[in-house]
Amino acid sequence: DQQVKQNSPSLSVQEGRISILNCDYTNSMFDYFLWYKKYPAEGPTFLISISSIKDKNEDGRFTVFLNKSAKHLSLHIVPSQPGDSAVYFCAASQREKPTGANSKLTFGKGITLSVRP
Amino acid sequence: DAGITQSPRYKITETGRQVTLMCHQTWSHSYMFWYRQDLGHGLRLIYYSAAADITDKGEVPDGYVVSRSKTENFPLTLESATRSQTSVYFCASTKGSHPHSPLHFGNGTRLTVT
Repeated sequence: DQQVKQNSPSLSVQEGRISILNCDYTNSMFDYFLWYKKYPAEGPTFLISISSIKDKNEDGRFTVFLNKSAKHLSLHIVPSQPGDSAVYFCAASQREKPTGANSKLTFGKGITLSVRP
Repeated sequence: DAGITQSPRYKITETGRQVTLMCHQTWSHSYMFWYRQDLGHGLRLIYYSAAADITDKGEVPDGYVVSRSKTENFPLTLESATRSQTSVYFCASTKGSHPHSPLHFGNGTRLTVT
């Protein structure tokens, strides 16, 4: 049973426009959410995160929105640039007992974003 | 340079062979992880370790063995490789001291089992 779902496998947008990448989750115990970006032949790199106590987190061109009641989050990229073309993974974690750490991540399948010049 | 390195980058092995994938990090991070990436599945956790000599199973541990005798190394062994273990394997680490420390990934090992 997949706990983190990225139902759209790909997205293509024009340079300068907004990219919206969606993610849904089923585990109500998740309390921290992250987005990772992955280029071919490289490992994923951390992009942005959000705690469940917030509904929005912004970092430059990247904004993540969290709707806890809908168990849905989205990543907005504005404006989109060709260098943003990559695979984007949504990930979630929950506090582990007894350490309280949130280290173990559950990932979605990823969305391939293509930004057309 | 400091970071997390995986070796080899590419490996071809035969069914039934034992193969070990290496992972080394220079940050002294407490937590280390092994993920595999497959089409249609994204990244799935194989094993993780909270500290030296402490390891635990992830989502897909069958057929794999790990050890963590030193904080900086976290090798992953396929005891008897099968074709279903053909995948790209990523090692990752995090401090873990902060509840929300992001994972830092290596560049992966592409393993083909023939």
